[in-house]
Parts: sequence; structure tokens; C-alpha cells
Amino acid sequence: KAGVTQTPRYLIKTRGQQVTLSCSPISGHRSVSWYQQTPGQGLQFLFEYFSETQRNKGNFPGRFSGRQFSNSRSEMNVSTLELGDSALYLCASSLAETGTYEQYFGPGTRLTVT
Amino acid sequence: GIQVEQSPPDLILQEGANSTLRCNFSDSVNNLQWFHQNPWGQLINLFYIPSGTKQNGRLSATTVATERYSLLYISSSQTTDSGVYFCAVEPNIGGTSYGKLTFGQGTILTVHP
Repeated sequence: KAGVTQTPRYLIKTRGQQVTLSCSPISGHRSVSWYQQTPGQGLQFLFEYFSETQRNKGNFPGRFSGRQFSNSRSEMNVSTLELGDSALYLCASSLAETGTYEQYFGPGTRLTVT
Repeated sequence: GIQVEQSPPDLILQEGANSTLRCNFSDSVNNLQWFHQNPWGQLINLFYIPSGTKQNGRLSATTVATERYSLLYISSSQTTDSGVYFCAVEPNIGGTSYGKLTFGQGTILTVHP
């Protein structure tokens, strides 16, 4: 089975711009979670989608949003980029069924905001 | 929210040595995972172990859910084991907290030849 894929792998944007990141989960997985990793804050949860519905959300401003499509692929969007948004963005997929909550991570998108 | 503490924060070993990494968590969990982050940033799954003991080659893990801790053992360490090891948990809140893993701060392991 193919693993979780993320595109693009690297991105450089200017402050004030917006960006869209994409995540394709493992085939059959219906849950996609997004995380931000920075040297100062570590790995932090952004949000989780299951069957096109956001079920959980972390403590991030409204500039961070996401969605999930009917094929379980997910996108996250960051509007009005700030320098502090520079980070590694990771997505993970899971079957999310009772007893099977294991998450599998993609390679990440490294975003640099200048 | 749930708290996750990993120790030690840094660990330096000679090749061939054994090591134990610890993860303490503050509430009951329905998911506990150990990851190794490679130099390119990808999180590699080591163990899914909300309770019990598992082994995979030179690595093994034990979670004592009733005492809220997990241990990752690395035996006969190799230079390729170097990197950051993370413990992450999903609390058991009325069944699920919907895909939210809370990560510890990680243990940076350096193995010298």
C-alpha cells in the first residue's frame, strides 16, 4: 500500500500571501490530521477531518483552515502568512475505528515565509 | 489537556550500547505511539502500544497504562539510530479525542561509532 503523500514538499512564500498544502491518505483511511512542527513549540495539532467533517481543532488562529474531499484527500490553507508560520507541516492518516487509532505520517511540507 | 513528558531530553551513546527512553502521560489513553523522526523530518512509526509489550528487532516497548508510562528500549545501538524519538498519545475522553495526538518534546539520541 502506498503511504501518506504530501505536496508540495518545499515552499517559499512572502508575508501576507496565502498557501494551500495537500495530503493524500493511505488508501482506505478516512481520518486525516494535520500538525505543525517548529523548533520552539514542537509538534502541535492543527485539526482533524473524518468523512469530510472537521471533528477536532487545535489552538490556532482562524487563518489556518482545512477541508477534506469525498476521496479522503485533505487540504489545509493558511491565509495572510506571517513569519512565524514558517514550519514543517505534517499530515497523518488513520483508519480511526475502535481499537485502530494508529496514525501514519507523510513526509511533510516545509514552508518558509520571508 | 493531557500532558506528555519524555526523558532524558538528550542521550549520547557509543555504538553497541543499550538505552531506555521514558514517556510519562497524565491521563488514560486509547493510543500511544513511538516515532523516530528522520533527518528529513518524516515521522517513522516504531510502535503503536497503548498497553502491553511489543518487540521489533533491536527495539522493544512497554506501556503500563495503569501507571501512565511507556518505555522504549534500544539494544546494541547503531549510528543509524541517531535522531529524535517522540512519544505521542491520544487521550481516552468518552471514547476518542478525534485524531489529536499530543506529543512529548522528544529525546535527541546521538550514537557515536
